[in-house]
Amino acid sequence: GAVVSQHPSWVICKSGTSVKIECRSLDFQATTMFWYRQFPKQSLMLMATSNEGSKATYEQGVEKDKFLINHASLTLSTLTVTSAHPEDSSFYICSVLGPGNEQFFGPGTRLTVL
Amino acid sequence: KQEVTQIPAALSVPEGENLVLNCSFTDSAIYNLQWFRQDPGKGLTSLLLIQSSQREQTSGRLNASLDKSSGRSTLYIAASQPGDSATYLCAVRLYNQGGKLIFGQGTELSVKP
Repeated sequence: GAVVSQHPSWVICKSGTSVKIECRSLDFQATTMFWYRQFPKQSLMLMATSNEGSKATYEQGVEKDKFLINHASLTLSTLTVTSAHPEDSSFYICSVLGPGNEQFFGPGTRLTVL
Repeated sequence: KQEVTQIPAALSVPEGENLVLNCSFTDSAIYNLQWFRQDPGKGLTSLLLIQSSQREQTSGRLNASLDKSSGRSTLYIAASQPGDSATYLCAVRLYNQGGKLIFGQGTELSVKP
């Protein structure tokens, strides 16, 4: 399979600041990576699909100017939450499309915006 | 539009029981199906992947089946243990729409010692 890491595991920030979350594929060169968010007691909501070297494809209703995704290499994708507000507080999880089209997930990042 | 439903939403069983979690999907044009486990505050762990051409997969005490024609999958857990307590998510990968995964709402399992 593929091992996926995320950093940081949790972050607290003030309203109006920007936060960057890193997602790394440690043992697999990932052409395709995904970003999800998850609210308490709910399932995962896909935010965007990113392919290495090209622009991310955002799901309907997700603001691409607010959630900036960069997938500059086969092992790293970043999600930047710009001008974060309390309603952006959530659990953000990245995922890698691995061998055999099996999807592997990172441990998640808990974002709290005060 | 593909919809994935998991039943039951929650399940509590005594340790040692065998149990079955159900997943149904509305569109049989899937590439594959995955079962995941999620512990509170954690990411997802892939348990089993079943390709569309396969009928079942096994890993240890877990067995997952797939019946594409009826739009159903089951996850069978043998001899349940307290450590199996978690939320179990079923997800199907679509042939179209960029191959995205569509998740069910999950089954929250509690295994009592």
